[in-house]
Amino acid sequence: DTAVSQTPKYLVTQMGNDKSIKCEQNLGHDTMYWYKQDSKKFLKIMFSYNNKELIINETVPNRFSPKSPDKAHLNLHINSLELGDSAVYFCASSQPISTQPQFFGPGTRLTVL
Amino acid sequence: GQNIDQPTEMTATEGAIVQINCTYQTSGFNGLFWYQQHAGEAPTFLSYNVLDGLEEKGRFSSFLSRSKGYSYLLLKELQMKDSASYLCAAFTGGGNKLTFGTGTQLKVEL
Repeated sequence: DTAVSQTPKYLVTQMGNDKSIKCEQNLGHDTMYWYKQDSKKFLKIMFSYNNKELIINETVPNRFSPKSPDKAHLNLHINSLELGDSAVYFCASSQPISTQPQFFGPGTRLTVL
Repeated sequence: GQNIDQPTEMTATEGAIVQINCTYQTSGFNGLFWYQQHAGEAPTFLSYNVLDGLEEKGRFSSFLSRSKGYSYLLLKELQMKDSASYLCAAFTGGGNKLTFGTGTQLKVEL
C-alpha cells in the first residue's frame, strides 16, 4: 500500500521522559511535515522538511527535534516531556508544489502523565 | 498573521445539502484546501481551489473568492458517513505551509 505510516499509534509516558515518533512515506514525495492536533482539534504545523532540509520551524520549543535521515523518513524526538505535549501528532507528505495536497499519516496519540 | 474562520458546528439532515463557509486573512495566499477528518482518524484531502470559482467533485464542491477571502464547501445528498470535521486550510507562500482553521464539526441526522 502506498501511504504515510507512523509508529507508534499510541504513546503513554511520564513527564520528563524522552520519546520518539517515526514516520515513513512511500509516495515518492520530497516534502514531509509534522503537525500537532490539540484537544480542541486545532491542527498546527510544527516542522517541514524538503529533501532532508528543514524548511519550516514554527516556534516549537527546542525540546522537539525533527530528524530526516532521507526524504522518505521524518522522525520526531521529544525531550523532557511536559503535560502540555499531550496531543495527536500527525506526519504528512507532499510534493513541494502548491497545488499538490498533503497526505497525512494515521497519527500518534501522545499522553503525558 | 494568518487567520482562518469557520463555524464550529453544523447539523444537517440525511439527503439534504449543506454549505460550510470559511473566511481567511493570510499573507502570500496560494490556494485553499478542504480536508475531511473523521473522529480518531487522519485528515483526508477533499478539494483544492486556487482560482476564483467552483470546483466540483461528485457530491462535494468547493468555491473560492480570492477578492473576498472566502471559500465554501458544498456537500450534496448528505449521508450519515459524512458526519465528520471539515477543515479549511490556506496555502501560503514559503515552505509549502498550510494554515488550518479550527474545523467545522458536521453532524448528519436522520
